[in-house]
Amino acid sequence: EVVLTQSPGTLSLSPGERATLSCRASQSVSSSCFTWYQHKPGQAPRLLIYNTSSRATDTPDRFSGSGSGTDFTLTISRLEPEDFAVYYCQQYSSSRWTFGQGTKVEIK
Amino acid sequence: QVQLVQSGAEVKKPGSSVKVSCKASGGTFSGFGVSWVRQAPGQGLEWMGGIIPIFGTKTYGHSFRGRVTITTDESSNTAHMELSSLTSVDTAVYYCARVAVEMAAILTYYFDSWGQGTLVTVSS
Repeated sequence: EVVLTQSPGTLSLSPGERATLSCRASQSVSSSCFTWYQHKPGQAPRLLIYNTSSRATDTPDRFSGSGSGTDFTLTISRLEPEDFAVYYCQQYSSSRWTFGQGTKVEIK
Repeated sequence: QVQLVQSGAEVKKPGSSVKVSCKASGGTFSGFGVSWVRQAPGQGLEWMGGIIPIFGTKTYGHSFRGRVTITTDESSNTAHMELSSLTSVDTAVYYCARVAVEMAAILTYYFDSWGQGTLVTVSS
């Protein structure tokens, strides 16, 4: 099973700052099946980025994804108040999905 | 835009089973897959199992194999997840998600829509 490790666990930033979230896989994964989700308390998770770098229909362009092999990154260029949430990476391989443990982006 | 509406909260005794439903409105599961994900209190997202688009293959997480059953009813656009032999560690919010697939040079899978979540509490 592919294990995804996200870092940092918590990111404390101010609105307007840049956020860089990392996700490392225990073995090389397919970029086409690497995804990022945003999750706010009491809400359903929301698709942000799929295929490593493709934004979902309603994802603002301040969000961008990159990476390949075992190292992937989600970047939020300028944090807006609504961006403070938990972010999960996800991968699919060998007919199974796994999630990272999440990175919480909190207001500093 | 499809909306996934899940059944209501459940309270179950240890050793029993729970069945959660997920109905698609404004869209369908046809041509898509479905997955179930849970979040225990204070924890992250955990994939439980699902049906892979196109192939229709059912696949389950190692932690749940033998305890979880996932089905779909295309006539009613509804998916179901049944979890048996419940213990207190199964107390969690359970989410369904529709699995989208794009076929270009390589298959791309992602969860494009999610249900609102169903709280399952296991307590004696």
